[in-house]
Amino acid sequence: KQEVTQIPAALSVPEGENLVLNCSFTDSAIYNLQWFRQDPGKGLTSLLLIQSSQREQTSGRLNASLDKSSGRSTLYIAASQPGDSATYLCAVNSGYSTLTFGKGTMLLVSP
Amino acid sequence: GAGVSQTPSNKVTEKGKYVELRCDPISGHTALYWYRQSLGQGPEFLIYFQGTGAADDSGLPNDRFFAVRPEGSVSTLKIQRTERGDSAVYLCASSLRTGRKDNEQFFGPGTRLTVL
Repeated sequence: KQEVTQIPAALSVPEGENLVLNCSFTDSAIYNLQWFRQDPGKGLTSLLLIQSSQREQTSGRLNASLDKSSGRSTLYIAASQPGDSATYLCAVNSGYSTLTFGKGTMLLVSP
Repeated sequence: GAGVSQTPSNKVTEKGKYVELRCDPISGHTALYWYRQSLGQGPEFLIYFQGTGAADDSGLPNDRFFAVRPEGSVSTLKIQRTERGDSAVYLCASSLRTGRKDNEQFFGPGTRLTVL
């Protein structure tokens, strides 16, 4: 059974810092991996999708990498801003179409 | 185009009552998914539809939970004899297709269910 772990559970940084969020998964036979953002009381916003054959994806200040063989992904956020404050969720698609989620990293960026 | 929409946004009910939660997927998306998110946890899969049929319902916790998608678009999640433990945010997602590495799921805002 696929299990997804996210470290750290919470992170607080001052505005402007570059930061890395980590995601690990137990079964490397995946189709893709998605990173989501969730604001308090809201649904999930898809940030990036990395296919199993890809090593990284970039969108603006966000860069996600994937090392399938070691079961790891990282989300890099450059020049963090207070508006980046949210919970970031990593989810793995193991080929059965449904997603297995981690518990998320709660990020607080202070001005 | 509009994203995934869910109604109601909030639902408060009493233990033992029946509830229905509705999901409108993105137009043209053939796959629809239901997830449940408890406080402080990531979403957990409940059921997914490919077209009108339930392709995988292995995540439904028990037979009090049922979902339909009669015309391959709107879906309704139905919960009978609600229990306090059913309290959670119920999330719906849709995707253009399944079984492909570029299959990206898009989520709705969720329905917060509170069972008193």
